[in-house]
Amino acid sequence: ELKVEQNPLFLSMQEGKNYTIYCNYSTTSDRLYWYRQDPGKSLESLFVLLSNGAVKQEGRLMASLDTKARLSTLHITAAVHDLSATYFCAVDHFGNEKLTFGTGTRLTIIP
Amino acid sequence: DTAVSQTPKYLVTQMGNDKSIKCEQNLGHDTMYWYKQDSKKFLKIMFSYNNKELIINETVPNRFSPKSPDKAHLNLHINSLELGDSAVYFCASSQGGPAETQYFGPGTRLLVL
Repeated sequence: ELKVEQNPLFLSMQEGKNYTIYCNYSTTSDRLYWYRQDPGKSLESLFVLLSNGAVKQEGRLMASLDTKARLSTLHITAAVHDLSATYFCAVDHFGNEKLTFGTGTRLTIIP
Repeated sequence: DTAVSQTPKYLVTQMGNDKSIKCEQNLGHDTMYWYKQDSKKFLKIMFSYNNKELIINETVPNRFSPKSPDKAHLNLHINSLELGDSAVYFCASSQGGPAETQYFGPGTRLLVL
């Protein structure tokens, strides 16, 4: 069974700092997603990574995928308070008709 | 112009009751899903329908029964509600299968007393 783990589970950081969230998964996958969820809200799609070495950037967020290491990272540059949210990665397993979500990383940016 | 909508947003009910949650998408997507998010924010697929046909049915108690009257709607009926059913239920949709980006509804917060 596909397992998707994120770390850290909780992250508190100061504005202006950089940090990285990690997403590890246990079996081969053909694509990986990052979602954002604000408190009490729905999930919003951020990135989809389709191949080994894929890198996507949007504002202060950059996501990358290493399919050989079965690892994706979400890097936050010069964090601002608006980025406070829970971030989920989700993996689509070959031949499996579903997405498996990671445990989520709850990010709090402190002014 | 909401893409994926759910009703109700909040549902508070007693144990043993039967309740339904409705979901509609106006994106023209072929596939719709129900997810359960527990108190620890863990998100797990429950069901998936493609063009009204059930394609994913995870190990969910048979008290939960999805119904898709057409490809734009996927409703979730829950019989004999239990305390452990308290969670947020999200509907989502995608063009094509689960490998496509999924768009989530606002969620239905269910509290069973």
